Amino acid sequence: AQSVTQLDSQVPVFEEAPVELRCNYSSSVSVYLFWYVQYPNQGLQLLLKYLSGSTLVKGINGFEAEFNKSQTSFHLRKPSVHISDTAEYFCAVSGINDYKLSFGAGTTVTVRA
Amino acid sequence: DTGVSQDPRHKITKRGQNVTFRCDPISEHNRLYWYRQTLGQGPEFLTYFQNEAQLEKSRLLSDRFSAERPKGSFSTLEIQRTEQGDSAMYLCASSKAQGNYGYTFGSGTRLTVV
Repeated sequence: AQSVTQLDSQVPVFEEAPVELRCNYSSSVSVYLFWYVQYPNQGLQLLLKYLSGSTLVKGINGFEAEFNKSQTSFHLRKPSVHISDTAEYFCAVSGINDYKLSFGAGTTVTVRA
Repeated sequence: DTGVSQDPRHKITKRGQNVTFRCDPISEHNRLYWYRQTLGQGPEFLTYFQNEAQLEKSRLLSDRFSAERPKGSFSTLEIQRTEQGDSAMYLCASSKAQGNYGYTFGSGTRLTVV
């Protein structure tokens, strides 16, 4: 089984500042990793995913994440945030031969002007 | 491609009543999943279908919960004799059968049991 720990429950940040959301995972098998964003009263939207290959993954809306196997981490970054990035962000993991996703508890990002 | 549709968006019901939710996946997606999300938590897996076959059911899903996917198209999730602890967002997602490359989620059905 896999599990995810998101190390920050809330991250306040000023507009145009950089942001990093931390995610650590645990698994006994090789994994796929995902970041999703959830806006209020909506479902989850896929931001980016790591399946294999380059450890630096670029996603939508200017986000990127880096897979670090030795640290079992998959931190999400954006160099300059906008007010519209205010949302909840979820890190998720699955085994490469599994279909289920295990999610972290989420990180709430609040962007202030 | 109209995405994954869920109906209703919101449901308020009295404790002890039965409720049914519907999910219409992306048409070419063979796999369909139900997740539950409570306040302040990430989604938790409930059940999974490949075509019309329900292949896995979480231990979180008590006997009061049942899901179907007749003809491998839309799916329904029914909760019988609802309890206040069933209040949550119920999320449906779908994906293609080959590999796990990330789901497409619907907007969810928010259930409030009063």
